Amino acid sequence: GAVVSQHPSRVICKSGTSVKIECRSLDFQATTMFWYRQFPKQSLMLMATSNEGSKATYEQGVEKDKFLINHASLTLSTLTVTSAHPEDSSFYICSATTSGTYEQYFGPGTRLTVT
Amino acid sequence: AQSVTQPDIHITVSEGASLELRCNYSYGATPYLFWYVQSPGQGLQLLLKYFSGDTLVQGIKGFEAEFKRSQSSFNLRKPSVHWSDAAEYFCAVGGKTSYDKVIFGPGTSLSVIP
Repeated sequence: GAVVSQHPSRVICKSGTSVKIECRSLDFQATTMFWYRQFPKQSLMLMATSNEGSKATYEQGVEKDKFLINHASLTLSTLTVTSAHPEDSSFYICSATTSGTYEQYFGPGTRLTVT
Repeated sequence: AQSVTQPDIHITVSEGASLELRCNYSYGATPYLFWYVQSPGQGLQLLLKYFSGDTLVQGIKGFEAEFKRSQSSFNLRKPSVHWSDAAEYFCAVGGKTSYDKVIFGPGTSLSVIP
């Protein structure tokens, strides 16, 4: 149980376009989802926390207008990178928790390359 | 401030040798502690976690970790390393609720010599 999926696993987009990444909890209801960014050979950096039906809470330094997060249902959160630039190229990982648990269940990640 | 440090950026061990990866944390309340492993290009896999109770916790793949409150440490150990254990290891600390964010350490890269 407690499986989180991400789609797509890899995406290449052109500079200036927008790209959407989906994070789904497959067998549980995710009351909270987290989005992380990971640069090569570095740790995970939390970008934002989203609770179902509420606006996401962004970490300091993360542009909320650039990284749009929507958590419209208990099984789906999306991250949209708007007007992507090469410096947005990274590995994006989501995780999810459900009420009453303290463990985050991680998705497999999405590799974004902006050309 | 909440933080996690992993003093060793990179460790190399011989296959069959024992392993200890260090982790120290700073957290204002009772911490929930985790160790994750990440293979290249992959997501995170939970190795083990500590919430309360016995300070020596067993995880998957033969790993264990010991919580030492007095030293603010949660070191990961394995008695005999396998070549497949080569990966990046992250220690993390979180809070008591499902809404609390998890803070990750910088990671330790493990190489295994055949």
